[in-house]
Amino acid sequence: EAQVTQNPRYLITVTGKKLTVTCSQNMNHEYMSWYRQDPGLGLRQIYYSMNVEVTDKGDVPEGYKVSRKEKRNFPLILESPSPNQTSLYFCASSPDGGGTEAFFGQGTRLTVV
Amino acid sequence: AQSVSQHNHHVILSEAASLELGCNYSYGGTVNLFWYVQYPGQHLQLLLKYFSGDPLVKGIKGFEAEFIKSKFSFNLRKPSVQWSDTAEYFCAVNAWSGGYNKLIFGAGTRLAVHP
Repeated sequence: EAQVTQNPRYLITVTGKKLTVTCSQNMNHEYMSWYRQDPGLGLRQIYYSMNVEVTDKGDVPEGYKVSRKEKRNFPLILESPSPNQTSLYFCASSPDGGGTEAFFGQGTRLTVV
Repeated sequence: AQSVSQHNHHVILSEAASLELGCNYSYGGTVNLFWYVQYPGQHLQLLLKYFSGDPLVKGIKGFEAEFIKSKFSFNLRKPSVQWSDTAEYFCAVNAWSGGYNKLIFGAGTRLAVHP
């Protein structure tokens, strides 16, 4: 089954404790991206990757890092989480940069206390 | 900068009522347009999309949308909603920005359908 898998689904952590949210897709898509969803703001892109070893900032990259060492994986790293990073995070993949359908993961609800 | 506006943030309807959700975008070039739906506690799923051709596109579950280029609009419609349509709906535009293609989302419209 074609899918984008994120882990964990729920995470509560404390300020400053490094964490990683994993994302994996099995569709051989070139393009992957991370979004955060906040009430009234829709989805805002954090980082994207056009291909392996190619990543770039989206609209709200501050406080986040990513890596793309393999085509299927695109982890999101919060080196020192802060409460303003409490949000719902979605990973997405698509064959290209959005000209075709994007497939979304189930989401990760992160709470930073 | 490109942007997508969804004018209704919350909509409450009774079952069998008709639905129209507004979406306007600001981008002068060629665009691809999407509506995504997010059911409670779930991820976003594609409802329908427009790339070219007939500006009236039909999606899943009886939804349709009309692309009006002159108005930069892509409104979502359904003649008769059901309780199971309760969800959040996002309009999105694919556009070139900063040298690459990206999806730009609206803020979303939360629809509640009462039986």
